Amino acid sequence: KAGVTQTPRYLIKTRGQQVTLSCSPISGHRSVSWYQQTPGQGLQFLFEYFSETQRNKGNFPGRFSGRQFSNSRSEMNVSTLELGDSALYLCASAGDAYNEQFFGPGTRLTVL
Amino acid sequence: GIQVEQSPPDLILQEGANSTLRCNFSDSVNNLQWFHQNPWGQLINLFYIPSGTKQNGRLSATTVATERYSLLYISSSQTTDSGVYFCAVIAYSGAGSYQLTFGKGTKLSVIP
Repeated sequence: KAGVTQTPRYLIKTRGQQVTLSCSPISGHRSVSWYQQTPGQGLQFLFEYFSETQRNKGNFPGRFSGRQFSNSRSEMNVSTLELGDSALYLCASAGDAYNEQFFGPGTRLTVL
Repeated sequence: GIQVEQSPPDLILQEGANSTLRCNFSDSVNNLQWFHQNPWGQLINLFYIPSGTKQNGRLSATTVATERYSLLYISSSQTTDSGVYFCAVIAYSGAGSYQLTFGKGTKLSVIP
């Protein structure tokens, strides 16, 4: 069974731009969650999607948004990038959010 | 929200030594996972363990849910065990959703 895939793996953007990250979950998994990892804040929950519905959102500004498609693939978007958005963005896949979570390799975003 | 504390924050071991990593959590949880983050940032699943004891090779984990802690044991450590170990708990977060809350991790360095 293929694992969780994330694209792109690396991104460099400048302040004010926007970015879209993609996550393809394990086949059959319907829950996709996103996390941001920074040296200062550690791993923080962004949002969770299940069957195309956002069920839960972490404490992040509205510049962070996401969606899920009917095939369970998910995208997250960050608009008006700030330097502090530089981070590793991780996507997790599960049958449902209370099941074991499996992570993708992450997208490393650098904002200059 | 739920708090997850890991100890020690840093650990240096001689190759071949044993170690115990601890994870305390502040409230009832539905499940608990241990991860190893490799140098490239990917979170590798080690254990999915709401209660009891599990073993996988040189690693084992014990969760005592009633006392709100979990332990990860690494025996006969190898240099490839180096990295950051995260404990994360799965807890209900409302609206039919659950989320992982991570500890800050234990950074393990195994020296030859």
